[in-house]
Amino acid sequence: QSALTQPPSASGSPGQSVTISCTGSSSDVGGHNYVSWYQQCPDKAPKLIIFEVTKRPSGVPDRFSGSKSGNTASLTVSGLQPEDEADYYCSSYAGSNTLVFGGGTKLTVL
Amino acid sequence: QVRLVESGGGVVRPGESLRLSCAASGFTFKNYAIHWVRQVPGKGLEWVAVISFTGKNQYYADSVKGRFTISRDNSQDTLYLQMNALRSEDTALYYCARPLTFGGFDFDYWGQGTLVTVSS
Repeated sequence: QSALTQPPSASGSPGQSVTISCTGSSSDVGGHNYVSWYQQCPDKAPKLIIFEVTKRPSGVPDRFSGSKSGNTASLTVSGLQPEDEADYYCSSYAGSNTLVFGGGTKLTVL
Repeated sequence: QVRLVESGGGVVRPGESLRLSCAASGFTFKNYAIHWVRQVPGKGLEWVAVISFTGKNQYYADSVKGRFTISRDNSQDTLYLQMNALRSEDTALYYCARPLTFGGFDFDYWGQGTLVTVSS
């Protein structure tokens, strides 16, 4: 149950696109299509923004998109807005009814 | 609306025990597996445990296996986490979380968390 690897930080200017990676192994990210992404604002609970690699829950803007290639999943935020500044976490089903999270990425909107 | 409210956190010494509760409302509790997730303040998220709809099956992170026990009372719409032999590294904000689908591992509802501090 090793944590997934995310870059500690990412940044972009308003209107730009930014992509955050999430690297695991064939036991988690690469072996299952159950990757989720969460946005967490300061002192708030995480908010689900992507599930099952590419799907968006109702109400999440289509500026947020997910993808996966091999053992690496990615979250892309297009048309960055100031309110997108937050911490982002990936998670993946890891088999045997267990889950693993990434270490988190702090997104700064310049 | 869906609501999850955790309670039971506090300050304990290493080796002591604590029981957390999570009161659910606004959905059919007995139809969902429910999870515990923790977060060291200022740090990342860590999945802790999950319990099946009926409570028959429980699964744990390696870091808590053998020390923590997840349980539920479907008649009271309440989830529990019994934490024994607590260590300083268990200090965290503990969230209960409901998956988007009945047995899934993607969480669309979270509580506000209850803080556990393990310190001598």
